[in-house]
Amino acid sequence: DVKVTQSSRYLVKRTGEKVFLECVQDMDHENMFWYRQDPGLGLRLIYFSYDVKMKEKGDIPEGYSVSREKKERFSLILESASTNQTSMYLCASSRRVTGELFFGEGSRLTVL
Amino acid sequence: TQLLEQSPQFLSIQEGENLTVYCNSSSVFSSLQWYRQEPGEGPVLLVTVVTGGEVKKLKRLTFQFGDARKDSSLHITAAQPGDTGLYLCAGAYTNAGKSTFGDGTTLTVKP
Repeated sequence: DVKVTQSSRYLVKRTGEKVFLECVQDMDHENMFWYRQDPGLGLRLIYFSYDVKMKEKGDIPEGYSVSREKKERFSLILESASTNQTSMYLCASSRRVTGELFFGEGSRLTVL
Repeated sequence: TQLLEQSPQFLSIQEGENLTVYCNSSSVFSSLQWYRQEPGEGPVLLVTVVTGGEVKKLKRLTFQFGDARKDSSLHITAAQPGDTGLYLCAGAYTNAGKSTFGDGTTLTVKP
């Protein structure tokens, strides 16, 4: 079975802490994505990567950074967490040509 | 700018009823995907439609792509409680990378 695995299902952090969310896919997909999902706001793209060490800003990149050192791994970093970053974070991967996204189970982050 | 509009936003029906969810856009997409998401989980891909006018069936679910490749519909026949979830449509362009998502339709099927 194809799989996208996110490192943590639930995290609770304090304001100002650095947060790492990791995502690994086993499908040899070129593209990887980080979204956040909030009630009433839908899925919003934070960053995506179409190749190792390559990244592009999505719709809401402020306050976030990403790292893709290996093809299968895409990390989302919150340098200094704030309460408005409390959200469900979803990682996804896809082949470059299809647009079909395969999502992880999500990481629910609470920032106190 | 919302490029993909889904309707209705919420739908609550009884088991056994039929329903249709719509996904409309002013843009032409190379393909369109439908996903279902259950609470606390990530979305799961249901289907991809590529050709204008294409119809795909997945058991009781029928997906249609508009002739102009701007819109799509999802029809569920004889809905069951297990169909409950958030249904998302997303438009994609070949080799472009990112997809455009609609805001979703929350479906509740009551036993």
